[in-house]
This record gives sequence, C-alpha cells and structure tokens, in this order.
Amino acid sequence: RKEVEQDPGPFNVPEGATVAFNCTYSNSASQSFFWYRQDCRKEPKLLMSVYSSGNEDGRFTAQLNRASQYISLLIRDSKLSDSATYLCVVISPPGNTGKLIFGQGTTLQVKP
Amino acid sequence: GAGVSQSPSNKVTEKGKDVELRCDPISGHTALYWYRQRLGQGLEFLIYFQGNSAPDKSGLPSDRFSAERTGESVSTLTIQRTQQEDSAVYLCASSSRQLIETQYFGPGTRLLVL
Repeated sequence: RKEVEQDPGPFNVPEGATVAFNCTYSNSASQSFFWYRQDCRKEPKLLMSVYSSGNEDGRFTAQLNRASQYISLLIRDSKLSDSATYLCVVISPPGNTGKLIFGQGTTLQVKP
Repeated sequence: GAGVSQSPSNKVTEKGKDVELRCDPISGHTALYWYRQRLGQGLEFLIYFQGNSAPDKSGLPSDRFSAERTGESVSTLTIQRTQQEDSAVYLCASSSRQLIETQYFGPGTRLLVL
C-alpha cells in the first residue's frame, strides 16, 4: 500500500463549481500535511499547509481527519486557472526529518 | 534571489550511456532532494540530503543511481548504464531547516533514453 494515496481523476468541472479532493495516508504517526499544485510540465509549488483545525486561504479550504487518516482540499467557485494537478504531501515520521512523501496527484480540469 | 536551478534542461542519450544531472539549490538551504517523475505519474522520491547528515538513499531504484552533494551546495545525480525506463523528468528541490515543508523545486531535467 502506498504511504499517500489519491484518486488521480481527472475531475472535470465547470467554472464556478465547488470541487473536493481527498487523500489518505497510511502512517498514523504522520504529523504534517500539505497540498502542492503542479501545472502541466511545470514544477510543483506549495499551495497550503493543512492544520488540525482546518484552514482557509481564499477559495481553498484544507481539512485533516486524523481518525480516518485523510486530508481534503475544497475549491470553491472554480476558475479556469485552477486547472492543475493537486499533490497531497505528508512529512514522513519520525518528527520533522524533512522527507516529504508525495501522493500521485489529482488532476483538475475546469471547463468554461 | 535565485531559485533552484538544474542542468541540463533536456538530455537525450543512448541506452547504456552514463548521464550526470546537476542541481544548484537556493543558497543557504540545508536540505536537498531528488525526485523522478515519469510522464503522467506522481513524484517518486529518490534521495534526500540534510546538512552534513548521512543522506537518505532509500528511494534510489537501483545501484545504477547515485548522488553526491558537497556540503550545502551543488548536487549531482548520476545514472550509469541508462535504460529506457529511466526516461523521466528528474526534479531537484531544496528547503531551509526552518521551513522544511516548503520545498522549492527546480525546473527539472527531462531525460530521454533512446
């Protein structure tokens, strides 16, 4: 079983739609979680961290469910420019050793 | 300031040849990572350097792959006797000790093995 698993999609949604992605992780000792974004043929970039209490950044909301070991990303009012692959990332324990484990990514296509 | 740079940006080689890929991390970043990304696939961790600690080589797929880093500067990833399945984008990333979750990626080296 992979340490971090995501539905690869693609998710095809119209502009203005709300879309949510989930990601599951296998190591219950994992402490830190993030979402990265990767545009086509570009390098990944940090989108946002995921905090235990949930957090928002504009149209983006990230949530963590430790009991079920999943992380979610919600995008409201989708824009064409949101089209990208969204990578779920977990820092591998023990502690913050710096080794990030990436999921394979979920591809989002926002259509006009 | 300058970001992470990688060279070459593209490399075409023949099966069986050795290739060397270079990564220049952001100045002052103690952590450096190499990943491989095959077409349409996710990032595959290869190796991780953190300061002067022993590198985490757990992701290297075979003994044909090796990487070196001098101090907290440049790193090279070497692939010996390349195979067609080595064709991929090789991404390098660096981060500071204080903000390890924020990895800054280079543009990658696109390797094609014929």
